[in-house]
Amino acid sequence: DTGVSQDPRHKITKRGQNVTFRCDPISEHNRLYWYRQTLGQGPEFLTYFQNEAQLEKSRLLSDRFSAERPKGSFSTLEIQRTEQGDSAMYLCASSLVQGVTEAFFGQGTRLTVV
Amino acid sequence: AQSVTQLGSHVSVSEGALVLLRCNYSSSVPPYLFWYVQYPNQGLQLLLKYTTGATLVKGINGFEAEFKKSETSFHLTKPSAHMSDAAEYFCAVSDQGSSNTGKLIFGQGTTLQVKP
Repeated sequence: DTGVSQDPRHKITKRGQNVTFRCDPISEHNRLYWYRQTLGQGPEFLTYFQNEAQLEKSRLLSDRFSAERPKGSFSTLEIQRTEQGDSAMYLCASSLVQGVTEAFFGQGTRLTVV
Repeated sequence: AQSVTQLGSHVSVSEGALVLLRCNYSSSVPPYLFWYVQYPNQGLQLLLKYTTGATLVKGINGFEAEFKKSETSFHLTKPSAHMSDAAEYFCAVSDQGSSNTGKLIFGQGTTLQVKP
């Protein structure tokens, strides 16, 4: 396994368009997280899944954002009606439930809304 | 609620000098603490973590950190900086000790510059 994979790496979109990002976690990891990182800031938690269940959503996740993890494997994060303030790096991470294990991060998707 | 404060958004050292990146945390339960490194346009890579037990933890690339409960600190050090250490460093606290979601709360990051 080569780690957490995110696609695309970069996305430029016009304001008002919808975008979707994909994350493939490490195969045996049952937890999957989405974070958002703006320039000069640390990542901020958006949401997480345990298997296919979405267990927590941050108040940062407005109703324009939706995330899914069908069958507990890959996950998608969709942003509808993008705004310039959505421009950020979107990071996905995965981990195991048992024990104290670190989260492994993907390389991120950089979104630019013009 | 848990929080992390990284003192100094930019740190500059000469190659071969000591690296010290400061992190203070706030947590109502025993914290699990992490240091991650991020290179430009890349994801985050774990340097080291503290959960329980020995308070001095060693990580990759010669980095280490000491958990000091009395000072609520988890500073990152490296005896001798390499040019390749230039990157963004993030301290984070996890709630795995309490609600066990595993989500991370990050500090704002410290950019390490290494001068030749």
